[in-house]
Amino acid sequence: DVKVTQSSRYLVKRTGEKVFLECVQDMDHENMFWYRQDPGLGLRLIYFSYDVKMKEKGDIPEGYSVSREKKERFSLILESASTNQTSMYLCASSLWGSFLNYGYTFGSGTRLTVV
Amino acid sequence: DAKTTQPNSMESNEEEPVHLPCNHSTISGTDYIHWYRQLPSQGPEYVIHGLTSNVNNRMASLAIAEDRKSSTLILHRATLRDAAVYYCILRVGGSQGNLIFGKGTKLSVKP
Repeated sequence: DVKVTQSSRYLVKRTGEKVFLECVQDMDHENMFWYRQDPGLGLRLIYFSYDVKMKEKGDIPEGYSVSREKKERFSLILESASTNQTSMYLCASSLWGSFLNYGYTFGSGTRLTVV
Repeated sequence: DAKTTQPNSMESNEEEPVHLPCNHSTISGTDYIHWYRQLPSQGPEYVIHGLTSNVNNRMASLAIAEDRKSSTLILHRATLRDAAVYYCILRVGGSQGNLIFGKGTKLSVKP
């Protein structure tokens, strides 16, 4: 079964720490995405990537950066974690040029708490 | 992406059909209609999508109105496992953008 795997299910970090959230997909998908999900706000796009070493800002990129050194791996980086970054983080992937005709595959999410 | 309107919540009985409505009156000719669902404590899951014609797959059916201003996701026999938030999303024709999730419909299934 095809998969998007997020490295941690739950994570607790301290304010000011640098945090890495890892996402790996085994479907050879070109596109990868990072969302965060908060009650009452729904899912919001942070960053996405069409290809290795390429990245595009989503709707809420502030305080985040990303890295895509290999096709199958897309990392989300919180440079200096803050409490307002406490959230559920969801990674997704899809085929290139197929935003219309194919679905996204999501990981199970990482629930990050910043204390 | 164009906006969709869904009821906040719906209830169904187990083993009965469920019809989840979605209004998208501003849809344009090249917009695809996508449905996702999110089970508790999981990431969203692709369900089905369509453009103009009704669509069927192993999970559900999608009925699209002739004017395309509304659509209905049909679960033929609801199970307890179908309790989830269902999102109706329009994918803009030619867009390389992202999925924009609204608030969705929370479906409860009673035994």
